[in-house]
Amino acid sequence: QQQVKQSPQSLIVQKGGISIINCAYENTAFDYFPWYQQFPGKGPALLIAIRPDVSEKKEGRFTISFNKSAKQFSLHIMDSQPGDSATYFCAASISGTYKYIFGTGTRLKVLA
Amino acid sequence: SQTIHQWPATLVQPVGSPLSLECTVEGTSNPNLYWYRQAAGRGLQLLFYSVGIGQISSEVPQNLSASRPQDRQFILSSKKLLLSDSGFYLCAWSRTLSTDTQYFGPGTRLTVL
Repeated sequence: QQQVKQSPQSLIVQKGGISIINCAYENTAFDYFPWYQQFPGKGPALLIAIRPDVSEKKEGRFTISFNKSAKQFSLHIMDSQPGDSATYFCAASISGTYKYIFGTGTRLKVLA
Repeated sequence: SQTIHQWPATLVQPVGSPLSLECTVEGTSNPNLYWYRQAAGRGLQLLFYSVGIGQISSEVPQNLSASRPQDRQFILSSKKLLLSDSGFYLCAWSRTLSTDTQYFGPGTRLTVL
């Protein structure tokens, strides 16, 4: 019940295309859902985050879509660029528990 | 602005040797601090977290330990390294009284031979 399942494991997208990464969870107590971007040899950097009270959040080319009833959330990268090539992690947490549950990551490659 | 530092950046150690990795945060007071391990091609595993000086919570039983001797300093240690301790170690912080956004450091690549 504490797992966050992330898919796909890897993704190849053409430049200018849309990258979509999905995550699913079981624990309805989760109330914070961040996405992190990690380049090789670097620490993860917060990309965008959402709470269950909204269904969508957009920051530039990055959008989180949240489906509370389905217990799923996804990251959409519009107009994907080669510089977006990285590993993306979703996570879920319960406020006050000091603990993130991370997905297993998606390695994105955007072809020039 | 807040900055998080980790050192060393890379480390190669023989099996059975001790370990000490250091993490410091600048620009904030009383942060929550975290140690994660990331195995090659895997997700992030929370090892320890701390909500204050001397307060350490362990998430996974192992031969690693953590200490917080100062407010913004977090140390990961081992008395005797195992081959399975190899990985990418990440320190992170979040604001006091908040468990939401965690900010990660640059990481330490540890190879145990």
